[in-house]
Amino acid sequence: DSGVTQTPKHLITATGQRVTLRCSPRSGDLSVYWYQQSLDQGLQFLIQYYNGEERAKGNILERFSAQQFPDLHSELNLSSLELGDSALYFCASSVEGRANYGYTFGSGTRLTVV
Amino acid sequence: ILNVEQSPQSLHVQEGDSTNFTCSFPSSNFYALHWYRWETAKSPEALFVMTLNGDEKKKGRISATLNTKEGYSYLYIKGSQPEDSATYLCALTARGGNAGGTSYGKLTFGQGTILTVHP
Repeated sequence: DSGVTQTPKHLITATGQRVTLRCSPRSGDLSVYWYQQSLDQGLQFLIQYYNGEERAKGNILERFSAQQFPDLHSELNLSSLELGDSALYFCASSVEGRANYGYTFGSGTRLTVV
Repeated sequence: ILNVEQSPQSLHVQEGDSTNFTCSFPSSNFYALHWYRWETAKSPEALFVMTLNGDEKKKGRISATLNTKEGYSYLYIKGSQPEDSATYLCALTARGGNAGGTSYGKLTFGQGTILTVHP
């Protein structure tokens, strides 16, 4: 157990639907990062939050949104789902907002859109 | 857009062999380079974080070096064991602004090197 908890582990849903992925960072970590890994793609950065505020944005689609709550857990909302959104979604956390320390990754949520 | 390249894409070695992989990146605006090990069905695990040119880090049989002036990092595994079989990822953070502010937290990952160690 890395200390980063992601739920659910697996999710199967239909096109056009909306889902929410949840991440609880490791205790003491203030920053949360979301990454997407599609088939044959590397880890693609989506978005970073630090202590409740958005810090950096990557190639995140407008249909996707995220937030970090006062208790530091984060949610990634994916709406109007398309087949191409099927992927493994990872959450990672770190103690600060800069890359001075290694990130701790969760076990991921595998999303399948049918 | 940062371009982080890793080579080779995959590598098969025999138990006991030593091996090394390369991570290449743009040398301008360098901030930090990370190495991760990603075993099948698990999540990526941090190996090293390097920030200074000439940095050398070691963890057991695995070590890494960094050259920020020429934009590359090497990961070495001495005496490979079957349990070293995994995908090894490097990731880069560059200095610079980002929409809405400055972020030194965004990691751009390479595609990884898949290592298979045969008994």
